[in-house]
Amino acid sequence: NAGVTQTPKFQVLKTGQSMTLQCAQDMNHEYMSWYRQDPGMGLRLIHYSVGAGITDQGEVPNGYNVSRSTTEDFPLRLLSAAPSQTSVYFCASSGMTAYEQYFGPGTRLTVT
Amino acid sequence: AQSVTQPDIHITVSEGASLELRCNYSYGATPYLFWYVQSPGQGLQLLLKYFSGDTLVQGIKGFEAEFKRSQSSFNLRKPSVHWSDAAEYFCAVGNTGFQKLVFGTGTRLLVSP
Repeated sequence: NAGVTQTPKFQVLKTGQSMTLQCAQDMNHEYMSWYRQDPGMGLRLIHYSVGAGITDQGEVPNGYNVSRSTTEDFPLRLLSAAPSQTSVYFCASSGMTAYEQYFGPGTRLTVT
Repeated sequence: AQSVTQPDIHITVSEGASLELRCNYSYGATPYLFWYVQSPGQGLQLLLKYFSGDTLVQGIKGFEAEFKRSQSSFNLRKPSVHWSDAAEYFCAVGNTGFQKLVFGTGTRLLVSP
């Protein structure tokens, strides 16, 4: 089992560019989520999904889109990157609920 | 809405000494409480969880936490710290809909020789 994988590990974008952060899990988990981690602010929930075709907003959804077409994948899209989106992004999954989440290794994104 | 406060940003403990990391939560109903650990450059790993029942819960790596409803606290403890415990520790509370975790801002543990 690979667990939760995230690509890329590092990314530098210019303001206004778009990109997709990839997240995949091989544990057949229904629940998946995206967080951003910023110094002194802990982890903040961006979007989450309780199953294929079902997504909802978290605490800081603005500027991000998600979709969940399969159980395994939960990509996060930045439509027009801004310097305020410079952060470390973590994807996580769990069996049925938000509890006991398994985290990926993270993607460090810098927007210049 | 639920919230979590971790009042200590950094804590330094000597190797072999005991450790207590503080966590206070705000939540109107029965809380579901968690401690996660993040080693440098890594994702988070679940240390332990409290759902109900015995208020003293045991986790991995020799950690334990005690739920005290009267103090709205869920402090993490370890009797003897090892150098490998140096990491950042996050307390989190879950809502009754089981769909969202709210994390504290974290406490960075430094272990001195």
